[in-house]
Amino acid sequence: QQQVKQSPQSLIVQKGGISIINCAYENTAFDYFPWYQQFPGKGPALLIAIRPDVSEKKEGRFTISFNKSAKQFSLHIMDSQPGDSATYFCAARKETSGSRLTFGEGTQLTVNP
Amino acid sequence: DTAVSQTPKYLVTQMGNDKSIKCEQNLGHDTMYWYKQDSKKFLKIMFSYNNKELIINETVPNRFSPKSPDKAHLNLHINSLELGDSAVYFCASSQDPRRGDIVEQFFGPGTRLTVL
Repeated sequence: QQQVKQSPQSLIVQKGGISIINCAYENTAFDYFPWYQQFPGKGPALLIAIRPDVSEKKEGRFTISFNKSAKQFSLHIMDSQPGDSATYFCAARKETSGSRLTFGEGTQLTVNP
Repeated sequence: DTAVSQTPKYLVTQMGNDKSIKCEQNLGHDTMYWYKQDSKKFLKIMFSYNNKELIINETVPNRFSPKSPDKAHLNLHINSLELGDSAVYFCASSQDPRRGDIVEQFFGPGTRLTVL
């Protein structure tokens, strides 16, 4: 059972455009929602994260929007750049699970110049 | 460089062999992890150790055995390798998550294991 569902599987955006990746979760016990960025041949790296007590978090061109009632959260990349081309993973964690992260399936983002 | 490092980066081996992947972190973290990323890039946690103590042990075949000689190292030994073990294995580390706050996990560069 996939507890965190991510879409789309792949996304192609023109330079300067907005990239939007969506995730939905089922377990209301999740209390922490990070997004990881992974470049080819590298390990995932934390990009931005949010707790469910806020509806939005922004860091530079990256914004997480969180909808607790719908159990959905999304990553918005404004002014997308070719250097943003990577695989993006959403994840979720239950406080009682300690450090166990449940990952979404990943989205391959390509930003064309 | 402060980081999580893994060796080897690539590992090609025959079915039935036994192999090990090594991981080291110099971030001063208490907790280390092993993740498996399959061909569809799906990431799943396998194990987690805190100060050499096993704290997460997901449903993983017992052919996989993690070993933590000290809190800076977490090695993964795999016995009787099977075709389905082919994947990229990531090591990660973090501060102790049981301190109650959210901690960031730092990932290594991965080891691509190919079983022929």
